[in-house]
Amino acid sequence: QVQLQQSGPGLVKPSQTLSLTCAISGDSVSSNSVTWNWIRQSPSRGLEWLGRTYYRSKWNIAYAVSVKSRITINPDTSKNQFSLQLNSMTPEDTAVYYCVRGGLGSLDYWGQGTLVTVSS
Amino acid sequence: QSVLTQPPSASATPGQGVSIPCSGSTSNIRSNTVNWFQQFPGTAPKLLIYSNDQRPSGVPDRFSGSKSGTSASLAVSGLQSEDEADYYCAAWDDSLNGWVFGGGTKLTVL
Repeated sequence: QVQLQQSGPGLVKPSQTLSLTCAISGDSVSSNSVTWNWIRQSPSRGLEWLGRTYYRSKWNIAYAVSVKSRITINPDTSKNQFSLQLNSMTPEDTAVYYCVRGGLGSLDYWGQGTLVTVSS
Repeated sequence: QSVLTQPPSASATPGQGVSIPCSGSTSNIRSNTVNWFQQFPGTAPKLLIYSNDQRPSGVPDRFSGSKSGTSASLAVSGLQSEDEADYYCAAWDDSLNGWVFGGGTKLTVL
């Protein structure tokens, strides 16, 4: 059974960087048949895909255009996890952030979610 | 403004059936398979339907999905009170190179 356990702060100051980690159990971040995604959800923006990383003989990373200039997603094979960094946070980035496994044409396993509030 | 379009609400009485539509475009629903998710307040979305019409293990067969052209729909038969939740459609978008979602439909069991 795949489980994703998120960790990271729930409060970030404006202009600072958000850092979240997603620990994987029951699968490998290096699996060549799945992808590892970050998705956020807010009342104003709904569900929004932020980006993903996946391994297919080499590491691949892709980001949504809306956040491309300030996002970094990294796999960590030593700890079997992947991370999200989002720079220059503003109140508009306030949302629940989820890490999600991408199966074959599906988003099948979700982390528990982290409510991130951007406020001074 | 979500890329996929869903009605904000739907309702029916226990035992009845209801259908939730999801409208997209050539670059998402027509070209790729559709997922449906169920979400209860304060919890993460749960995969309900994948590959347009496939149910993950454990999802009751009261839930079914279909797709035609640039539209998809989720049907729920024999409604139960515990089906009251928010439902979202999603698909990969070849133009945006990312997953896109509907705005969600709040299903009320009257």
